[in-house]
Amino acid sequence: AQSVTQLDSHVSVSEGTPVLLRCNYSSSYSPSLFWYVQHPNKGLQLLLKYTSAATLVKGINGFEAEFKKSETSFHLTKPSAHMSDAAEYFCVVSYTGTASKLTFGTGTRLQVTL
Amino acid sequence: EPEVTQTPSHQVTQMGQEVILRCVPISNHLYFYWYRQILGQKVEFLVSFYNNEISEKSEIFDDQFSVERPDGSNFTLKIRSTKLEDSAMYFCASSGQGRTGELFFGEGSRLTVL
Repeated sequence: AQSVTQLDSHVSVSEGTPVLLRCNYSSSYSPSLFWYVQHPNKGLQLLLKYTSAATLVKGINGFEAEFKKSETSFHLTKPSAHMSDAAEYFCVVSYTGTASKLTFGTGTRLQVTL
Repeated sequence: EPEVTQTPSHQVTQMGQEVILRCVPISNHLYFYWYRQILGQKVEFLVSFYNNEISEKSEIFDDQFSVERPDGSNFTLKIRSTKLEDSAMYFCASSGQGRTGELFFGEGSRLTVL
């Protein structure tokens, strides 16, 4: 069965410092990988997606993620955190080749402090 | 910017009552989904819907659940006889493409069953 593991349930960074949110997926042929963000009382918004094109994927708000097949990882990074980045982040995988039946990670809550 | 809208934002109901959660997907989208998130747990796939029929459903989506697109704009999730364990945030999503398309999520409907 497909699965994704977010290694940290909570990450705290200072504003202006780098962000690293870790995600590992179970190995399978051609997964599609996504990062979604959920701000308080808001819906899930797509940050970026990997679908077997370039391994370094750039998303919105300065986020990017690198698909590393050898490590089965898809970590999310941002060079400099902003207060508005505080939210819940979900790593998501789909092996079906479709956008349906996404499998979500447990989420990482990002806290940004002054 | 087009968005998925969900109503109600919060509903409280008594166990055994029927509940209908409503969603208005993005107007030119063809694929529709319901996901749910029980408090403290992962976001889980419930059902996908295309061309006026269910295309895929999870084992959570038993006979108590049904979906409908009654009028070409709304997409509803009905729970026939609610149980305590149905308490969760329910997310509607839509997509313009079935394969690797981006899912656009609504803000969610929080259901509390007493």
